[in-house]
Amino acid sequence: DADVTQTPRNRITKTGKRIMLECSQTKGHDRMYWYRQDPGLGLRLIYYSFDVKDINKGEISDGYSVSRQAQAKFSLSLESAIPNQTALYFCATSDPGQGTTDTQYFGPGTRLTVL
Amino acid sequence: DQQVKQNSPSLSVQEGRISILNCDYTNSMFDYFLWYKKYPAEGPTFLISISSIKDKNEDGRFTVFLNKSAKHLSLHIVPSQPGDSAVYFCAASEGHDMRFGAGTRLTVKP
Repeated sequence: DADVTQTPRNRITKTGKRIMLECSQTKGHDRMYWYRQDPGLGLRLIYYSFDVKDINKGEISDGYSVSRQAQAKFSLSLESAIPNQTALYFCATSDPGQGTTDTQYFGPGTRLTVL
Repeated sequence: DQQVKQNSPSLSVQEGRISILNCDYTNSMFDYFLWYKKYPAEGPTFLISISSIKDKNEDGRFTVFLNKSAKHLSLHIVPSQPGDSAVYFCAASEGHDMRFGAGTRLTVKP
């Protein structure tokens, strides 16, 4: 079984709709992240969480919100989706206690299309 | 403002030859550098990393070189194999702040 899972894997929605992307992990890591990938831009950080009570904005947080329901679960919401949020979204986890600074482990991604 | 740049969007090499993927960064505060490999329909997977206190790290066929004065790192794959065909992302971090390059698509031809 995969250590980091994302649901749904694909989603098509319309402008203005509220969308939630979910991430679960069985790695036991405290840190979780949400990224989006756009062609020619690599991965950009949206939000990150160091534990259940700690949520931080990343490089491109506008238009997004997150919820850390438990150590293992981190959800990303688009309150009112717009077409330029069409992208591939990745969840990741890390455990700095392993001694390798912030090596992150990624889920398989969610492809979101906003029409 | 892309702090990490991979200027070659694609690279094609023959099986058995060396693949060299390059990456440049602008932030001198980055202290940890990583390479990730991504196959279609999968998330990036960690490949190899290097701390800023080193200039070389080797793991089997993969070697990462870091030139801090030039703010440049490279990934060497020797010998290249068809299964190495993927998109390779370099990443640089300062603590939890990790920045990624846009990726280089490597194709290894049999």
